[in-house]
Formats: sequence, C-alpha cells, structure tokens
Amino acid sequence: AQSVTQLDSHVSVSEGTPVLLRCNYSSSYSPSLFWYVQHPNKGLQLLLKYTSAATLVKGINGFEAEFKKSETSFHLTKPSAHMSDAAEYFCVVNTGGFKTIFGAGTRLFVKA
Amino acid sequence: GAGVSQSPSNKVTEKGKDVELRCDPISGHTALYWYRQSLGQGLEFLIYFQGNSAPDKSGLPSDRFSAERTGGSVSTLTIQRTQQEDSAVYLCASSGVSRGKETQYFGPGTRLLVL
Repeated sequence: AQSVTQLDSHVSVSEGTPVLLRCNYSSSYSPSLFWYVQHPNKGLQLLLKYTSAATLVKGINGFEAEFKKSETSFHLTKPSAHMSDAAEYFCVVNTGGFKTIFGAGTRLFVKA
Repeated sequence: GAGVSQSPSNKVTEKGKDVELRCDPISGHTALYWYRQSLGQGLEFLIYFQGNSAPDKSGLPSDRFSAERTGGSVSTLTIQRTQQEDSAVYLCASSGVSRGKETQYFGPGTRLLVL
C-alpha cells in the first residue's frame, strides 16, 4: 500500500533560521514525489518535484528536498526562513499514472 | 457525511468539442478549487472561488477555460474547443475548518481524454 506521512502537523521557526519539514512515504513502485505550498486563500502551488533524476531537488523560493530511498524520506528544507514562508506545506506521492496521495500537511509558523 | 463529488468520472471527447465538468463541494464549504493533473505530473492550480468574492483565475491556461460557481455551491468548469493537451484528470476541492485547521477535501476527479 502507498502512503505519505508528514511527521509534524505544526512547525515553528524564527525568521532567518533553517526550516525542516519532514515527510516519509511508502510505495511499492518508484514514486514521483512533490512538495506543495498553500498560502491562506490561495490554491496549491508546486514547490518542487522528484522524478528519479537527481536526488537533491531544488525548488522555488530557496526550498530544496532530498530523496533518500534507504530512509523512504523526502524532507523539505530551507536554509533561512522568511516571514512570507508561513503557510501550509503538503508532501505528495504519485505512484504512477493518475494516483496521487497527499500527506496531512504541515503548518509552518515563522516568528519575527 | 458526503464528500466532494464530481461528474462525470470519465469523459472522452473529440478535439474541438466543448466539455463541462461538474463539482459538488461539501455543504457549507465556502472555498472551492479546481486543479488539473496531467499523467505522472503534479497538480496544476486552475481557479479558486471563495464565497462571493471574485474568483482567482490566475491558473487558467487559456481563454478556452472558464468556470463558474452558482449560488456559492456547485461549480462547473468549461473547456471550449478542446485540444489533445487538455487530456488530464481535473480535480475539484473544497475547504473548510476541521478541528481548528483549514482542510482541503478533494473529489475523485474527472478523467478527460481528448481524441
């Protein structure tokens, strides 16, 4: 069975400090993995995606994620948080074709 | 309770024809989103409705795409003069607050194939 687990429902960081949003997946196939961000009153926006090329994926707004097959993880990181990063982040697995599984989401709070 | 429903579940059409996709959100949800997912790709945001406010149409890929939401409930996504690249799964989502957290609920999608 395929599944996605976002390990933290809420993460709070200070502006200028690193961000780590954790995601573990379970898939019988080689998955495509995505991170999306959703700001209040906005639709989902694709941050980055992994599709079996380089294991370290760089996305928009300074975010990146590393695919670790041995750990079945795809954690999202950013070296320095900005106030505008405060949003909900979703880790998503596409297990082939049109089947997409969403994580429960992690709310990121950024303190001044 | 009932979740988000979409109809039809599958639609096959010929290039150049118009199609209408329907979404019934969860009762009471004021926010409604349309997304598109092409084969093996991530979600692409299309349009967002929030209550009586003007919709956010920034994701619509061309003027062949339009959507409306009548009475703050049911929404229809219309694609005019369909092209083969419009083939995708079209997902609708509505959102509401659950346990103090805004949560988005997705419908099963409409799989559109343009021949």
